[in-house]
Amino acid sequence: EDKVVQSPLSLVVHEGDTVTLNCSYEVTNFRSLLWYKQEKKAPTFLFMLTSSGIEKKSGRLSSILDKKELSSILNITATQTGDSAIYLCAVRRLAAGGTSYGKLTFGQGTILTVHP
Amino acid sequence: GAVVSQHPSRVICKSGTSVKIECRSLDFQATTMFWYRQFPKQSLMLMATSNEGSKATYEQGVEKDKFLINHASLTLSTLTVTSAHPEDSSFYICSASPLPGQGAPGETQYFGPGTRLLVL
Repeated sequence: EDKVVQSPLSLVVHEGDTVTLNCSYEVTNFRSLLWYKQEKKAPTFLFMLTSSGIEKKSGRLSSILDKKELSSILNITATQTGDSAIYLCAVRRLAAGGTSYGKLTFGQGTILTVHP
Repeated sequence: GAVVSQHPSRVICKSGTSVKIECRSLDFQATTMFWYRQFPKQSLMLMATSNEGSKATYEQGVEKDKFLINHASLTLSTLTVTSAHPEDSSFYICSASPLPGQGAPGETQYFGPGTRLLVL
């Protein structure tokens, strides 16, 4: 069974701090790892990682995958109160057939709280 | 692009009634949609994979007679919570991945805004 573990489970920081969120996984036939941000409603997509060692960046957020260590990190620099959310990591395995994509297995999430 | 809608966004019902939740991909087609359930401050739990034109695949522990899924077209899946009870109260979220060549970024799952169900 596929398994995704995130750490820490919760994190409280002050504005301006830099945070690193961790995600480790065990999955058969790994295809990709995705990061999502969830505020009050449904998750919004942040990054999808398929290749090891290639950093993806969007503003103050960046992420990288290490296939050897079966893990990924999500970095947020100069945090703001608007970064407060649950950050979810999910992995997808290769799907059978080829007409659609397989299911995601989610980690338990990291609750990030940024204080002013 | 890649927008997924859900309806209703919130529903309150009496115990014993059935509730239908719709999930639509607005600007892309998806042969597969996914239904999740989420409790407060917890992660998403996959309930079932909805396949257009065929039966849904349910995750272990999810009652298929309780949570009926119908994937009527390439843009619509419905989840019906039958004979709802207070313990079914939760946040239900659907997602879909665009088919290759749909114009939207493929392989990424896009989530609907969710439906909050409260059973009294």
